[in-house]
Amino acid sequence: DQQVKQNSPSLSVQEGRISILNCDYTNSMFDYFLWYKKYPAEGPTFLISISSIKDKNEDGRFTVFLNKSAKHLSLHIVPSQPGDSAVYFCAARRTMNRDDKIIFGKGTRLHILP
Amino acid sequence: DVKVTQSSRYLVKRTGEKVFLECVQDMDHENMFWYRQDPGLGLRLIYFSYDVKMKEKGDIPEGYSVSREKKERFSLILESASTNQTSMYLCASRQERSNEQFFGPGTRLTVL
Repeated sequence: DQQVKQNSPSLSVQEGRISILNCDYTNSMFDYFLWYKKYPAEGPTFLISISSIKDKNEDGRFTVFLNKSAKHLSLHIVPSQPGDSAVYFCAARRTMNRDDKIIFGKGTRLHILP
Repeated sequence: DVKVTQSSRYLVKRTGEKVFLECVQDMDHENMFWYRQDPGLGLRLIYFSYDVKMKEKGDIPEGYSVSREKKERFSLILESASTNQTSMYLCASRQERSNEQFFGPGTRLTVL
């Protein structure tokens, strides 16, 4: 059973517009959420994270929103740039347990159109 | 600058061969992980380790084993490679109780 779900395998957005990537989770014990970005033939790199005590975290063009009641988070990229074309993985974990793994979603491929 | 390195970027092996994938991290991290990435399936955890000589099965351990004799090194072993193990293999490390995981560049393995 998937605990972290990214229901859109791919997304196409015009350059300069807003990209919104969505993620849902089922485990209410998750208290920390991360987004990773992956280019082809490279390992994923950390992008932005949010603790469950917050509902928003912003870093430059990237903002993550967390809606705990809906068990939903989203990544907003404004404005979208060609270099943002990549696969984005949503991830979650329970920080109280040192043995807990980070659980990744299946990823969403973002295409930024010129 | 933090670094996770993997021994090969590309590897081609034949069915039945024993394959070793090496991963080294220079951050003194306690936790290390091996994933495989396949289209439409995302990142799937094969094995992980919380300390030297410790290992835990992930979600898809069948056909794989691991070795962690030193803190900085975590090896993934395919005892007898099969074509369905053709994939991108990613190693990662994380400090205990930290939330951020650092990934290596990946090894694209092709089994013929």
